[in-house]
Amino acid sequence: KQEVTQIPAALSVPEGENLVLNCSFTDSAIYNLQWFRQDPGKGLTSLLLIQSSQREQTSGRLNASLDKSSGRSTLYIAASQPGDSATYLCAVRGNSNYQLIWGAGTKLIIKP
Amino acid sequence: DARVTQTPRHKVTEMGQEVTMRCQPILGHNTVFWYRQTMMQGLELLAYFRNRAPLDDSGMPKDRFSAEMPDATLATLKIQPSEPRDSAVYFCASGLGAGGGETQYFGPGTRLLVL
Repeated sequence: KQEVTQIPAALSVPEGENLVLNCSFTDSAIYNLQWFRQDPGKGLTSLLLIQSSQREQTSGRLNASLDKSSGRSTLYIAASQPGDSATYLCAVRGNSNYQLIWGAGTKLIIKP
Repeated sequence: DARVTQTPRHKVTEMGQEVTMRCQPILGHNTVFWYRQTMMQGLELLAYFRNRAPLDDSGMPKDRFSAEMPDATLATLKIQPSEPRDSAVYFCASGLGAGGGETQYFGPGTRLLVL
C-alpha cells in the first residue's frame, strides 16, 4: 500500500531564502507525482506535475525533482516571498490506479 | 479564466438533514473527483467520474452518501441523513484525461458543519 510522507510538517523561514520541501513515497511504481499549494480556507492549486519518466519540472521560482528509485521528490522554492506562505501537498498516482495518494502537507511560513 | 465552481461555499445544518453540494467542472473537462478534507484524515477521495459515469465511489459511505452527474456541467454530492462526523471541507476537482493521471483543478470547496 502506497504511503506518502512529507517532512517537515511545518517550516518558517525569513523572506529571500531558498528552501526545500520533501516528499517520500513507499512504492516506486508510480505514474506521476504532483505538488499542490493550499491557501487557508481555499482549494488546492496544482503547481507542478512530474511524469514517472521525468526527473524534474520547473515553473518560475519552483523546481520539483523526482527520484523514483529512492522514493523521493523535492520541491525547491527560490528566493522565497511572503506570498509563498501556504500548505504544500504532494500526491502520488500509482500505475494501476487513478487515485492520488496524498501526503499530509508542509505548512510554510515566510516571514517578511 | 476557467475554474471549478462549488456551491454553497459554507453550510451549517442539523444532524439528520439532507445536504446537497454542487460542482461545475471546467468546461470540456471529462473527469470529476469529489474529495473530503479533515484535520485528522487529510484528503480522502470519495468519488470519481469519467465522462459522467461513476468509476469509483468506494470512498463514500454508501448508506448516506450519493454522487451523480446529471449532465456534463453539473456534479452533485448528497448526504442524507447528515451526521456530525460528516463535518469537513468537500472539494470537487476536474480534469481532462483518460487515465486519471492528468492535472486536477480544484474548486474552492464547501465547508460543511453538521451540528
